[in-house]
Amino acid sequence: EPEVTQTPSHQVTQMGQEVILRCVPISNHLYFYWYRQILGQKVEFLVSFYNNEISEKSEIFDDQFSVERPDGSNFTLKIRSTKLEDSAMYFCASSEGPRDRYYEQYFGPGTRLTVT
Amino acid sequence: EDKVVQSPLSLVVHEGDTVTLNCSYEVTNFRSLLWYKQEKKAPTFLFMLTSSGIEKKSGRLSSILDKKELFSILNITATQTGDSAVYLCAVVNAGGTSYGKLTFGQGTILTVHP
Repeated sequence: EPEVTQTPSHQVTQMGQEVILRCVPISNHLYFYWYRQILGQKVEFLVSFYNNEISEKSEIFDDQFSVERPDGSNFTLKIRSTKLEDSAMYFCASSEGPRDRYYEQYFGPGTRLTVT
Repeated sequence: EDKVVQSPLSLVVHEGDTVTLNCSYEVTNFRSLLWYKQEKKAPTFLFMLTSSGIEKKSGRLSSILDKKELFSILNITATQTGDSAVYLCAVVNAGGTSYGKLTFGQGTILTVHP
């Protein structure tokens, strides 16, 4: 069964460093998302991406964050200058679209980001 | 602001018991409600509910939505230890230019003892 994959599974970085989290969405999906979950807290929406552009972003998704689909398969989240409070599990999700189908979002296994 | 509240926050049962998990929501431009099961890492999709009163069923799991009272329940019958997980409820706000942003509840931690 097709699934969303993410790499790396765990990333440790120092404060101020740039990180890139990678995701390969399900191949026929058109809508892509990033969410994060700080330990012990709710899963929070960061950004949605469709047709090679951001379609919606949350307040969390400030200028330090960016997303890109550099080729036909990868979808990346970049954090330019990491802060301690960026430590979280980052989930990528994708959905098929259009209409009703794009609400069924399938999640990857996550990347645990630890900022020291 | 969209809001999703799940109850109970945690539940401990024995194998064979039946459990009911609750999810209430407040969302502008409601489109659908989704249930996920989260074990070690990724939330795994269970159900998507769009219409009131229509039960969705998959094996021992079933779910129903009440759009008038703004809640959903997830039932698990004949629980097994493998059902132990965090169960997440999320709603979709499809207003304006939204492309399916999910707003999650805090989850219900279900522990099933042998």
